[in-house]
Amino acid sequence: EAQVTQNPRYLITVTGKKLTVTCSQNMNHEYMSWYRQDPGLGLRQIYYSMNVEVTDKGDVPEGYKVSRKEKRNFPLILESPSPNQTSLYFCASSVAGDNEQFFGPGTRLTVL
Amino acid sequence: KQEVTQIPAALSVPEGENLVLNCSFTDSAIYNLQWFRQDPGKGLTSLLLIQSSQREQTSGRLNASLDKSSGRSTLYIAASQPGDSATYLCAVSGRSNTGFQKLVFGTGTRLLVSP
Repeated sequence: EAQVTQNPRYLITVTGKKLTVTCSQNMNHEYMSWYRQDPGLGLRQIYYSMNVEVTDKGDVPEGYKVSRKEKRNFPLILESPSPNQTSLYFCASSVAGDNEQFFGPGTRLTVL
Repeated sequence: KQEVTQIPAALSVPEGENLVLNCSFTDSAIYNLQWFRQDPGKGLTSLLLIQSSQREQTSGRLNASLDKSSGRSTLYIAASQPGDSATYLCAVSGRSNTGFQKLVFGTGTRLLVSP
C-alpha cells in the first residue's frame, strides 16, 4: 500500500531534550516536506526536500533540522525543543513539488 | 507573499444540501491548487488537484473550480452527507524565494452535516 508513515504518532517530552520524528514514504517520491499545524494559523511549511541531499527552509524553520540521506526518509530533528514547538506535525511527499501531495497521519508533539 | 483565505471558517448544514466552500489567494502566479479533507486527529486526504491551466476538476459529488486571474477557487459538494463532516483545506502551489515550489495552505472550513 502506497503511504507516508510517521513515528512516533504521539510524543510528550521536556524542554531541551533532543528528539527526532521519522518520516518514510514508499512511493519513490522525490519531493518531501514537513509542516506544523496550529489552531488559527493553519499548516505552515517547516522544511522541504527536492531530492536526496537537497533541502531548503520553508516558512518556519527556526528550531528544526532535517536531513535527506535516502530518498524514502526525511526525518525532522528538534535539537533543543521548546514549548512553542508544541504542535501537530505532518510529513508529506509528492512526485514533484507541484504534484499531488500525500500526507502522513501526523505526530502530536507536546513539549513541557 | 502568498496568502490563502477560506470563507466561511465554519459551516453547518442539514443532510442533502448542496454547498460551496470558498478559497481565495493573493498571488495568481500558482502552479496548481489542491483541496484536502482533514478528519479530527487525522492526516490530510487529497480530494482534487487543479492545474493552473485548468478551470475545474470533478470527483464524484465534488467539483472544484479555479479562476486564477481573480485568485479564487470554489469546492462544490452536492447532496451533502453526514460523512462529509470534516475540515476542508485548500492549498496553492507556487514558487518560493529560492526557486523551488512550495505549498501555502488556508486555515480551512470546518463543515458539519447533520442527519
